[in-house]
Amino acid sequence: NAGVTQTPKFRVLKTGQSMTLLCAQDMNHEYMYWYRQDPGMGLRLIHYSVGEGTTAKGEVPDGYNVSRLKKQNFLLGLESAAPSQTSVYFCASSTPGTGGPDTQYFGPGTRLTVL
Amino acid sequence: DQQVKQNSPSLSVQEGRISILNCDYTNSMFDYFLWYKKYPAEGPTFLISISSIKDKNEDGRFTVFLNKSAKHLSLHIVPSQPGDSAVYFCAASGWNRDDKIIFGKGTRLHILP
Repeated sequence: NAGVTQTPKFRVLKTGQSMTLLCAQDMNHEYMYWYRQDPGMGLRLIHYSVGEGTTAKGEVPDGYNVSRLKKQNFLLGLESAAPSQTSVYFCASSTPGTGGPDTQYFGPGTRLTVL
Repeated sequence: DQQVKQNSPSLSVQEGRISILNCDYTNSMFDYFLWYKKYPAEGPTFLISISSIKDKNEDGRFTVFLNKSAKHLSLHIVPSQPGDSAVYFCAASGWNRDDKIIFGKGTRLHILP
């Protein structure tokens, strides 16, 4: 199993450009998440999905859109990139268990720089 | 307002000694607490967790202690090894399956030879 993979690993954008980050998981997990990590800020939830065809906003959703057309994929889109979106983006997935929150499995991250 | 606080950005510990990483939280509704470990250029990986009905959970060299009245938890690593050098994130959540996990800012642990 590859677990959670993210494409691309690195990207440099100019202000105003758009791009899509792809997350794929092969663990048949129901839930998927997008986080961003900034220096000294920990991990902050951008958007998440509790199943194919569903998405919901997290803590910092502005400037991002997501789609979950297939259970194994979760896409994060930036329509008009801004320097404030320079960050490391992590995707994670989990599956609901019999009780309590579930362990999230993280991808290796995408380092995005917006100039 | 930070709901999960890790007040020490970094910590250095001699190899073989005990490493103690601390975490405080403010939300009394949190019922589940986790520690994640992160190496450079990799995603976080789950390390250990504890539910609010326990005050201690042990897994090999790693033990997490929970003091609900003080809203404080700590991760003990004994003995510390060079491979333990990483960033450790404390996280907390409610008990419902859809509750979001709130992460602290992390503590960078350096194990000194």
